[in-house]
Amino acid sequence: RKEVEQDPGPFNVPEGATVAFNCTYSNSASQSFFWYRQDCRKEPKLLMSVYSSGNEDGRFTAQLNRASQYISLLIRDSKLSDSATYLCVANQAGTALIFGKGTTLSVSS
Amino acid sequence: DAGVIQSPRHEVTEMGQEVTLRCKPISGHNSLFWYRQTMMRGLELLIYFNNNVPIDDSGMPEDRFSAKMPNASFSTLKIQPSEPRDSAVYFCASSLGRGQPQHFGDGTRLSIL
Repeated sequence: RKEVEQDPGPFNVPEGATVAFNCTYSNSASQSFFWYRQDCRKEPKLLMSVYSSGNEDGRFTAQLNRASQYISLLIRDSKLSDSATYLCVANQAGTALIFGKGTTLSVSS
Repeated sequence: DAGVIQSPRHEVTEMGQEVTLRCKPISGHNSLFWYRQTMMRGLELLIYFNNNVPIDDSGMPEDRFSAKMPNASFSTLKIQPSEPRDSAVYFCASSLGRGQPQHFGDGTRLSIL
C-alpha cells in the first residue's frame, strides 16, 4: 500500500465552483501534514500546512481526520489561476516528507 | 532571500556519460533532499541529508547514482553511467528540519539519449 494516496483526477470545474480533494495516509504515526501546489513544468511550492484543528487561508481550507487517516483541501470560489496539481504530504517524526502523486485541477471560464 | 539554487536547468547527454547535478540549499537550512519526478512514478525521494550527513539513501535506484554534501551550502547528485531511463526532472529541496516544510529548487530537466 502506498504511504500517501490521492485521486489523480483531473478535476474539471468552472470558475467560482467549490472543489474538495481528499488524501489518505497509511502511517498512523504521521505527525506533520502539508498541501503543496505544482504548476506545469515548475517546482512544488508549499500551499499550506494542515493542523489538527483545521485551518483556513483565504479561499483554502485544510482539514485533518486522524481517526480515518485522511487530509482534505477545500477550494472555494475557484479561479483560473488555481489550475495546478495539488500534492498531499505527510511525515512521521524523524523521517522525510512523503509526497502523494498529486491531484490535477483544471478551472475553466 | 535566495531560494534553493540548482544547476544546470537543462541537461541533454548521451547514454553512458557522467551527469552531475548541483544544488545550493537555503542558508541556515540543515536538511537537504534530492527527488526525481516522472509522470509514471510521481515525486520520488532519492536521498536526504541532515547536517551534511546522508540519513536515508534507500531511494537511490542503483549504484550508478551517488550523492554528496561536502559542506552546508553545496550538494551534488551524480549518475555514472547514465541511461535513457534516468530521464526525469530532478529536484533539490531544503528545510529547517526533516519534518519541516521543504523549499524546492527549479529542478534540472535531464534527458539521456
